[in-house]
Amino acid sequence: KQEVTQIPAALSVPEGENLVLNCSFTDSAIYNLQWFRQDPGKGLTSLLLIQSSQREQTSGRLNASLDKSSGRSTLYIAASQPGDSATYLCAVYPYSGAGSYQLTFGKGTKLSVIP
Amino acid sequence: DTAVSQTPKYLVTQMGNDKSIKCEQNLGHDTMYWYKQDSKKFLKIMFSYNNKELIINETVPNRFSPKSPDKAHLNLHINSLELGDSAVYFCASSLVTAEQFFGPGTRLTVL
Repeated sequence: KQEVTQIPAALSVPEGENLVLNCSFTDSAIYNLQWFRQDPGKGLTSLLLIQSSQREQTSGRLNASLDKSSGRSTLYIAASQPGDSATYLCAVYPYSGAGSYQLTFGKGTKLSVIP
Repeated sequence: DTAVSQTPKYLVTQMGNDKSIKCEQNLGHDTMYWYKQDSKKFLKIMFSYNNKELIINETVPNRFSPKSPDKAHLNLHINSLELGDSAVYFCASSLVTAEQFFGPGTRLTVL
């Protein structure tokens, strides 16, 4: 059974700092990995999707990497801003077969960027 | 121009009642999902529905049933509501195994 772990559970940084959020998964046979952002009381916003053949994806100040063999992904946020404060969720897609379309989520990292 | 929409946003009801949550997507996606986020904020898949094939997470009670009138809609029906059903329910959609897009969520409170 796939398990996804995100470390740290919470992180507080001063504005302007670069930071890294970590995600690890137990079964390396994944199809895709997706990073989301969730603001309090809100839905999920997709940040980056890394497909199985890719090693990283970039969008603006965000860069996500994927190392399937070691079961790890990192989300790098450059020059953090107070508006980046949210919970960041990592989710993996199991590899083929029944349930192949169903995301397995980590419990998230709650990020606070202090002005 | 909402991509994935859900109604209602909030639902408060008594134990034992039957309720439905509606989900619609205008992205032309062929797969839709329901997820549950519990009080500890942990998100877990409940169902996925693709081309009339329903895949059910084995932990979901049979009081929960998804119904899809067409490709753009996947509604969630819940019978005999229990206190433990209180949670935020999210609908999502995608093209097969591609990026999933989520709705804003429905906060269900069972009294």
